[in-house]
Amino acid sequence: GESVGLHLPTLSVQEGDNSIINCAYSNSASDYFIWYKQESGKGPQFIIDIRSNMDKRQGQRVTVLLNKTVKHLSLQIAATQPGDSAVYFCAETTVTYGNNRLAFGKGNQVVVIP
Amino acid sequence: NAGVMQNPRHLVRRRGQEARLRCSPMKGHSHVYWYRQLPEEGLKFMVYLQKENIIDESGMPKERFSAEFPKEGPSILRIQQVVRGDSAAYFCASSPGRGGKETQYFGPGTRLLVL
Repeated sequence: GESVGLHLPTLSVQEGDNSIINCAYSNSASDYFIWYKQESGKGPQFIIDIRSNMDKRQGQRVTVLLNKTVKHLSLQIAATQPGDSAVYFCAETTVTYGNNRLAFGKGNQVVVIP
Repeated sequence: NAGVMQNPRHLVRRRGQEARLRCSPMKGHSHVYWYRQLPEEGLKFMVYLQKENIIDESGMPKERFSAEFPKEGPSILRIQQVVRGDSAAYFCASSPGRGGKETQYFGPGTRLLVL
């Protein structure tokens, strides 16, 4: 079946360094992708999104890259801070067909070392 | 502007009881989504509702589970005759409902524990 998945289960990063989280998706019809951050005991928090007609989008300290050729999505966090410690999920959906159902990957734990 | 609200935050039920989970969307949002998260897993879509309509319930078990989003009041996810396998975190999300790209904003979740 179609799925969204993450390559690495845990990423340990030194405070101040950059973090890169990767995500592979298999549904070639997906046209809208979102990164969420989930802290322990909380709901997913929107970080950044990207449509399939773009290959890069930047936010505050975060950048999302989309490579449709290999169906790969990544989230880059600049100057990682202790508050960035969380589980990060990529999610995809197909807006074009009016299907707002999000498909989530399993998550990637980021641990920031002070 | 209050975010998505869910209550209760924690719910304990014994096997066979009913669980009712409530979700109030963000102000101005007319679309509601329910997701379930098992421990150390990603969220799984359950159901997508607009006011008084179920749009997509393809992710919801056919038995014991139901959802509604009435004209007035919160959206309700109802689980009848709960079993231990229903123990999970249930998240509600909402979006504006204006069409096109719709970012979903999530609530804090209800953690259901079935004894």
